[in-house]
Amino acid sequence: SQTIHQWPATLVQPVGSPLSLECTVEGTSNPNLYWYRQAAGRGLQLLFYSVGIGQISSEVPQNLSASRPQDRQFILSSKKLLLSDSGFYLCAWSPQPGSYEQYFGPGTRLTVT
Amino acid sequence: GESVGLHLPTLSVQEGDNSIINCAYSNSASDYFIWYKQESGKGPQFIIDIRSNMDKRQGQRVTVLLNKTVKHLSLQIAATQPGDSAVYFCAEEANAGNMLTFGGGTRLMVKP
Repeated sequence: SQTIHQWPATLVQPVGSPLSLECTVEGTSNPNLYWYRQAAGRGLQLLFYSVGIGQISSEVPQNLSASRPQDRQFILSSKKLLLSDSGFYLCAWSPQPGSYEQYFGPGTRLTVT
Repeated sequence: GESVGLHLPTLSVQEGDNSIINCAYSNSASDYFIWYKQESGKGPQFIIDIRSNMDKRQGQRVTVLLNKTVKHLSLQIAATQPGDSAVYFCAEEANAGNMLTFGGGTRLMVKP
């Protein structure tokens, strides 16, 4: 069966510090991968999605970047965090091709102080 | 469509009652819809999906109804239990690629 992992589960970082959040998927190959951000009590905002290694599409202009160095690994990064980057970051995957159903990881709670 | 920035509406129901959570979607051409359940501090979990060629689909204690005429989706939970307390999101097939557009979510609170 397929599983998706995210780490760390929680993170507290000062403003201006770098960020690296990791997401890995097991039990499938060539998945679509997604990064979402969720502010407290709010909906899901799609940040990035990837259909393959090295292929990243950005949905909104922002202080963050994403990379996919391996088929089942998706990384969310920032060089300098802002207070507004605080939130709950969710990674998701969907099988290819033509599947809309997405499966979410457990999330990372990021607090920028 | 996506409603980032809106505070969540709340539905409060008595344990044992039926719950109905509603969602309006934006894309009349959408072929696929999903309901997710998100418990506090966790990632969303898939509940049930439905394609546009269906009006109704049933799962275990849950039913999804699709009204394409008015672009309305609803999730019915039978005999609501305390464990059903969560935020529920609807999502529709987005216009491009293998993506979903999420609704703003509804918080379901179950009173014992």
